[in-house]
Amino acid sequence: DTGVSQNPRHKITKRGQNVTFRCDPISEHNRLYWYRQTLGQGPEFLTYFQNEAQLEKSRLLSDRFSAERPKGSFSTLEIQRTEQGDSAMYLCASSLVSGGSSGANVLTFGAGSRLTVL
Amino acid sequence: AQSVTQLGSHVSVSEGALVLLRCNYSSSVPPYLFWYVQYPNQGLQLLLKYTTGATLVKGINGFEAEFKKSETSFHLTKPSAHMSDAAEYFCAVRAFNQAGTALIFGKGTTLSVSS
Repeated sequence: DTGVSQNPRHKITKRGQNVTFRCDPISEHNRLYWYRQTLGQGPEFLTYFQNEAQLEKSRLLSDRFSAERPKGSFSTLEIQRTEQGDSAMYLCASSLVSGGSSGANVLTFGAGSRLTVL
Repeated sequence: AQSVTQLGSHVSVSEGALVLLRCNYSSSVPPYLFWYVQYPNQGLQLLLKYTTGATLVKGINGFEAEFKKSETSFHLTKPSAHMSDAAEYFCAVRAFNQAGTALIFGKGTTLSVSS
């Protein structure tokens, strides 16, 4: 178990370009979450998946953002037509939720992908 | 809906001194509460969590937190600070009956430890 892996760790792009981040969760985890963290703020929820199904999306996830988890394993987060306000750390987390599990399931976070939009 | 307020964006202590990081939550249903720590260039790491049962929860690295329903608080403490405790700390909440929903985080408290 190598933990949650995120790539790339850093991305610098020009405004208007598209960027894609990848997250590889812990292999046995069925839940995968995306968060955004800006300077001086806590992580803000964007979206999450149960296996390949995207079950919840935050209002922060504008139509320029799209996330997929096609085979229920790795996930991608794409940002189209980037804006300077998209500059942030994008965090991925995963967890295992079984049938009888409650909200106590613990999220394991990756180190994040830092996006800078010039 | 749930929310978290962390009082004090920055706390400074001397090595060996008591660490107290404050967290108040808002939840219309019984909450599950978490403290995470984030070191520079690393992901968030779970320190401890409160689910049900004992209200005093012990975590890693000598940290503990007490759930006080009457005060809607979940403050994080450590009796004696180490230099290695310098990091950013986040309190988070989730409703107990919403296993699939995301954690809601506070804005974080940066802990500085001086020698």
